[in-house]
Amino acid sequence: EAGVTQFPSHSVIEKGQTVTLRCDPISGHDNLYWYRRVMGKEIKFLLHFVKESKQDESGMPNNRFLAERTGGTYSTLKVQPAELEDSGVYFCASSPLSYSGNTIYFGEGSWLTVV
Amino acid sequence: AQSVTQLDSQVPVFEEAPVELRCNYSSSVSVYLFWYVQYPNQGLQLLLKYLSGSTLVKGINGFEAEFNKSQTSFHLRKPSVHISDTAEYFCAVNGNTGKLIFGQGTTLQVKP
Repeated sequence: EAGVTQFPSHSVIEKGQTVTLRCDPISGHDNLYWYRRVMGKEIKFLLHFVKESKQDESGMPNNRFLAERTGGTYSTLKVQPAELEDSGVYFCASSPLSYSGNTIYFGEGSWLTVV
Repeated sequence: AQSVTQLDSQVPVFEEAPVELRCNYSSSVSVYLFWYVQYPNQGLQLLLKYLSGSTLVKGINGFEAEFNKSQTSFHLRKPSVHISDTAEYFCAVNGNTGKLIFGQGTTLQVKP
């Protein structure tokens, strides 16, 4: 069974450009999460989808970040326009709907560098 | 609010020596506790988790952790480390929403 997959694995863009990160969760997982780790800091929660609905987007840093989850399957995270401080690794994770301490499975991350 | 503190940012240790990575948490509600590991150039992988029951939890690769409610700790231990254990380790807590709160991470450096 495929794990959580993320694309692209690495991206280098200039300040002001747009980047779209994609995440394919494990098949059948209704919970989908985005986390981010900027250089030297802890991994921080960005938002949580349950199927196609945003359950919690309290961690989204500002309105330059837009997350969508089409049809409750894959998700995209768009950064527009990108700023230098957006550099870091963006993790996607998924888990089954009936959460009771279920393991949250992480992808390998999308490493974003804004220059 | 919940928070996690990993007391050591780096832990150097020689191969075959024991190691303990410390984690303390703060929460006003019951929590689930996790340790994740990130090997170089890889994603986060679950090592072990505490949900309830026995306070000593065994995970993959010979790691174990002990939940101590009175000290609000969940320290990770391994009796004998290998070079391949070199990685960054993250402690995390979760209330009941699925939203993980991570510590700052501890880099374990195993030396030959």
